[in-house]
Parts: sequence; structure tokens; C-alpha cells
Amino acid sequence: EAGVTQSPRYAVLQEGQAVSFWCDPISGHDTLYWYQQPRDQGPQLLVYFRDEAVIDNSQLPSDRFSAVRPKGTNSTLKIQSAKQGDTATYLCASSWGFAETLYFGSGTRLTVL
Amino acid sequence: GDSVTQKEGLVTLTEGLPVMLNCTYQTIYSNAFLFWYVHYLNESPRLLLKSSTDNKRTEHQGFHATLHKSSSSFHLQKSSAQLSDSALYYCALSDTGGLSGKLTFGEGTQVTVIS
Repeated sequence: EAGVTQSPRYAVLQEGQAVSFWCDPISGHDTLYWYQQPRDQGPQLLVYFRDEAVIDNSQLPSDRFSAVRPKGTNSTLKIQSAKQGDTATYLCASSWGFAETLYFGSGTRLTVL
Repeated sequence: GDSVTQKEGLVTLTEGLPVMLNCTYQTIYSNAFLFWYVHYLNESPRLLLKSSTDNKRTEHQGFHATLHKSSSSFHLQKSSAQLSDSALYYCALSDTGGLSGKLTFGEGTQVTVIS
């Protein structure tokens, strides 16, 4: 069974540039999560979906971040105008239903110069 | 809001000696679910242990932990460390009966086992 797939693995940007991250969850998993993990910190939830619906995006900086999951499968997280403070690893995870076991992808490591 | 504290950021252990990683949490909800996730280098984080039952020991892959709601703790233990246990360990909390998947993570403990 394929795991959660994320791309790209790495991204390096200048401040003000835009970037998109892509996530393909485990087949059949209807719940998808995006976490931000700054260096030397634990993952922090940004947004999560059940199918195509956003369940909670209260921690997503809405002025610059957006996330979609239009068909309830793959998802894209976009940063419109990156700042140095956005430097972190962005982890995608999926689960079947609102289950307590999350399956994580390998993450995208973003560096904003 | 919810919080999870892992007081050891870096731990270096000698192979064969016991392991104990501390985890305490704060939540206003009584139905806390606690988890340990492990993140090996060049792999994805994955679930190691989970529990929602007070005072019941849960075990997996040689590790064990007991949720103590009276002290809000969920310490991870292993009787004998192996070199392959070197990894980043996260304690995490769900306050919604595990029904939302909305986890609050601690800052993690980086474990290095040496021979």
C-alpha cells in the first residue's frame, strides 16, 4: 500500500515569492491534515479536511496561506508571499475518518531567505 | 488551550540501558487521548503507542507507557535501549476522544543511542 506522498521534498525561496505544496493521501483516507513544523519544534496543525470540506483552518494565516482539496483526494497548500518566519517543514497526514492514528508523508522542507 | 510538555530536548543513552522519556499534558477535557509518535531519520513520523485508558499499560515494539490522568502524564519507557531506537520522539494529545485527529504535539525529544 502506498503511503502519503508529498512534493516537492525541498523548496528554497526569497521573501515575497509564492510556493505550493502537494499531498496525495493514502487511498481511501477521507481526512487530510497539514502541519507546520518549525525547526526544533513539534508539528503544529494548520488546517484539516474531511473529504473536500475544511473542518478547521483556524491556525492557517489566511492572509497568505490557502489550502484546498477540491475532489476530496489530493490537496494543495499554497503560500502566497513567503516570509522568513515560514521556514519550516510542512507535513501532510491522512486518516480514515476522524481516527486517532495519522499517517504522515515525508514532508516538504521550506527555506525562505 | 491544550499543551504537551516534553522536558528533555536531547537525550543520549548507552545501548542496553533503560529509556524513559517524559511527557506531561494540560487539557480541560477529561477524555484525553495520548500518543507517542516516532520519527526516524529519512522516514515519515509514525505512531508508536496510544492510550486513553487511565492507569493501563500499553506496549508496542518493546516500548511501553501508562496514562496517568491524576498526574497528566504519559511517559515512554523501554527496558533496554538499542542503537536502532535513535530517533525523534513526539508525545501528542487529542482532547476530543480521538475523534477529530486534531493532535497537539510536544516539542519532541531527540534520542541518540550509543554503543
